[in-house]
Amino acid sequence: QVQLQESGPGLVKPSETLSLTCRVSGDSINNGYYWGWIRQPPGKGLEWVGNIYHSEKTEHTYYNTSLKSRVTISVDTSQNQFSLKLTSVTAADSAVYYCAAGTRNNWFGPWGQGTLVTVSS
Amino acid sequence: SYVLTQSPSVSVAPGQTATIPCEGDNIGLKSVHWYQHRSRQAPVLVVHDDNDRPSGIPERFSGSNSGNMATLTLTRVEPGDEADYYCQVWVGGSDQWVFGGGTKLTVL
Repeated sequence: QVQLQESGPGLVKPSETLSLTCRVSGDSINNGYYWGWIRQPPGKGLEWVGNIYHSEKTEHTYYNTSLKSRVTISVDTSQNQFSLKLTSVTAADSAVYYCAAGTRNNWFGPWGQGTLVTVSS
Repeated sequence: SYVLTQSPSVSVAPGQTATIPCEGDNIGLKSVHWYQHRSRQAPVLVVHDDNDRPSGIPERFSGSNSGNMATLTLTRVEPGDEADYYCQVWVGGSDQWVFGGGTKLTVL
């Protein structure tokens, strides 16, 4: 059973870059999952941020249209983890950020426990 | 962009049946997935591909999808079912994964 764990700073200053990592255990990150990031701002619903499809042969990234200009998702196969970078953050980017394992049928499961990121000076 | 609309809240007494709708344009042509999100926990997939349950999810959880409406149904509701429930689809033309706004299920 795949398990995921997010890590990264809990506080980021406005205009700076938010960087999070999701460590994967229980399976190889090369096994053709759609590794995803989903966030939940305080008091609001879930919002898909982006996915990276990664296998030994190919890699594709998919980003929420509304965030595309600021988001980068990448894989580190040596560490069996994937990462999220979100540039030029504002208070609106404050949220609990979840990483999740996505399937070819386009659903997510399992999910990490989530990590709260606050954007504030 | 594709929008999924959910009612903000649904209330039901223990032992009764809860229905949680998710509205979207021709959603019946898409595969709908449902997540249970309890407070301070990771979301959990409860139904995928309209009406398939992952292993470990009780038969009390079921789904349907037709026309412009998908529905998650919980029979014999228990206090432990109290959570936010989200529908989700993949929009193939634009490669976007879309969540509904969520429905808070309250067990009275």
